[in-house]
Amino acid sequence: NAGVTQTPKFRVLKTGQSMTLLCAQDMNHEYMYWYRQDPGMGLRLIHYSVGEGTTAKGEVPDGYNVSRLKKQNFLLGLESAAPSQTSVYFCASRTTGITYEQYFGPGTRLTVT
Amino acid sequence: SQKIEQNSEALNIQEGKTATLTCNYTNYSPAYLQWYRQDPGRGPVFLLLIRENEKEKRKERLKVTFDTTLKQSLFHITASQPADSATYLCAPRRGGGNKLTFGTGTQLKVEL
Repeated sequence: NAGVTQTPKFRVLKTGQSMTLLCAQDMNHEYMYWYRQDPGMGLRLIHYSVGEGTTAKGEVPDGYNVSRLKKQNFLLGLESAAPSQTSVYFCASRTTGITYEQYFGPGTRLTVT
Repeated sequence: SQKIEQNSEALNIQEGKTATLTCNYTNYSPAYLQWYRQDPGRGPVFLLLIRENEKEKRKERLKVTFDTTLKQSLFHITASQPADSATYLCAPRRGGGNKLTFGTGTQLKVEL
């Protein structure tokens, strides 16, 4: 049981480049989330999904797109990277249970120059 | 707008003492409150959930309280150890919601 995995672990982009971050979970969870974490700002929700084929905006969705074509995968795309998107990105998943416990991946450190 | 406040200054305590971390929230009424632990370079890990009708919840050396009148949760680690050194995040949640809102976290350092 790998839990939640994220690819890649590190990436450096130039302004204007695009990339996709991949999140995969093997726990058959319905809900998946993408967060970014910046110093002094805490974890902020970018987009989330309540099931395969669904997506919804979180607190800071601008400049990002997501897709949930398969239940186990949640992709986060940056179409035209900006320096303000330099951050650590975390993916999380959870069951539909009442405890609402979220399981987080190890994170992707993205630098946009 | 809703606001979650955790002490941004690191908390330094001696091994064996009890660490107490605070989470204050304003402008909403969460039905649940979760606490997570985050180590450097890693994702957060769930520790405890407390419901609004529970005053206190315990798990091994951890204790969480939830005071809906004060709009505050306290997180205690008794008999603290250097391995408890990490950042602790609180995350209040309304009932029925799909999303969590996290505080910025408090860094705990337990010294020998």
